[in-house]
Amino acid sequence: TQLLEQSPQFLSIQEGENLTVYCNSSSVFSSLQWYRQEPGEGPVLLVTVVTGGEVKKLKRLTFQFGDARKDSSLHITAAQTGDTGLYLCAGAGNNNDMRFGAGTRLTVKP
Amino acid sequence: EAGVTQFPSHSVIEKGQTVTLRCDPISGHDNLYWYRRVMGKEIKFLLHFVKESKQDESGMPNNRFLAERTGGTYSTLKVQPAELEDSGVYFCASSHAGLDGYTFGSGTRLTVV
Repeated sequence: TQLLEQSPQFLSIQEGENLTVYCNSSSVFSSLQWYRQEPGEGPVLLVTVVTGGEVKKLKRLTFQFGDARKDSSLHITAAQTGDTGLYLCAGAGNNNDMRFGAGTRLTVKP
Repeated sequence: EAGVTQFPSHSVIEKGQTVTLRCDPISGHDNLYWYRRVMGKEIKFLLHFVKESKQDESGMPNNRFLAERTGGTYSTLKVQPAELEDSGVYFCASSHAGLDGYTFGSGTRLTVV
């Protein structure tokens, strides 16, 4: 059983469309991170959210942490082909070791 | 500033052999983490160093895995003897304090045949 469930597992959209991916858990996390990973590379940190209800924006990306700190979403506006990649959410454990979801693989077609 | 460096990037070994993976964290980062992704599964935590001390090794699969961080700088992860199920990508990450500057390396892809 995964600690963090990410949905959808795969998403294929056209350039210019909007999308939202989700990260859900039955556990409460002190903080949650979103990463993007490309083939042959390690995960690259996009954002850390720590406060329930927090919303952070990074250009066309909007991250939200649920009020109960059990879930999070990532919304991308006007997706570009360069957004293609594997998006991972990870919750911080007691020693800041990260517990990862399986990821959402996003493909943005031109 | 150099990022987290892992060596080798790929390794193919036979079952029963020994392999040693190396991770050089970002200079000044006291925290060093090892993770692993086996095919089709999520990235899983293996262990955590604070400087040269093992803070948490609850994720280590079994006693065939040995991690060290002598002097609190680079770390090695040795698998001896390797089994087929050890195949996967091994990631290292480091951070300054807590989640500050949490950075992953590019990983070592280990294939045991």
